[in-house]
Amino acid sequence: DAGVTQSPTHLIKTRGQQVTLRCSPKSGHDTVSWYQQALGQGPQFIFQYYEEEERQRGNFPDRFSGHQFPNYSSELNVNALLLGDSALYLCASSLRAGVNQPQHFGDGTRLSIL
Amino acid sequence: TQLLEQSPQFLSIQEGENLTVYCNSSSVFSSLQWYRQEPGEGPVLLVTVVTGGEVKKLKRLTFQFGDARKDSSLHITAAQTGDTGLYLCAGANTGTASKLTFGTGTRLQVTL
Repeated sequence: DAGVTQSPTHLIKTRGQQVTLRCSPKSGHDTVSWYQQALGQGPQFIFQYYEEEERQRGNFPDRFSGHQFPNYSSELNVNALLLGDSALYLCASSLRAGVNQPQHFGDGTRLSIL
Repeated sequence: TQLLEQSPQFLSIQEGENLTVYCNSSSVFSSLQWYRQEPGEGPVLLVTVVTGGEVKKLKRLTFQFGDARKDSSLHITAAQTGDTGLYLCAGANTGTASKLTFGTGTRLQVTL
């Protein structure tokens, strides 16, 4: 049973570029959440997708956008990259957008901005 | 904005020692989860506590949720080198979506 898979594992971009990160949820899960983890810090919630709609959003600018597909997979897009966007981007999946549902995390995409 | 503060930030101990990690907030959470994260990997869920005052044990790990559901602790008995990692607490609230608010993290290093 495959867990949460993310691609790519590492990515290097320059300021001003845009990037797309991908996530496939654990089999049977229908909800995907994205988190940003800066070095040495805890993850910060970006947004969550359920039934192909953004259900909740954290304190991130509009440069961060996402999408969920009918097969529950998801993409995170970041435009006009800044040096401060360098971080580990984590995807988590769960069953239904409800509290206390255990979230399963992927191993993340390490994004470096030069 | 809900915040979760963890203490200590760093902990370096020898194998066999006991330790406690604290997770504190001024906000009430419906539930609190503890994760362990190793380098190059995503966080792995250890436990979820839901009821104020709840205590859960997972082998040598004991988790407690404060009576007021604002704080939690993780106690490890007889630490082993395999316990090394970043420990993260995360709070969740009721609503239409389960957004996790993560703590600042405690990095634990257990040496022989």
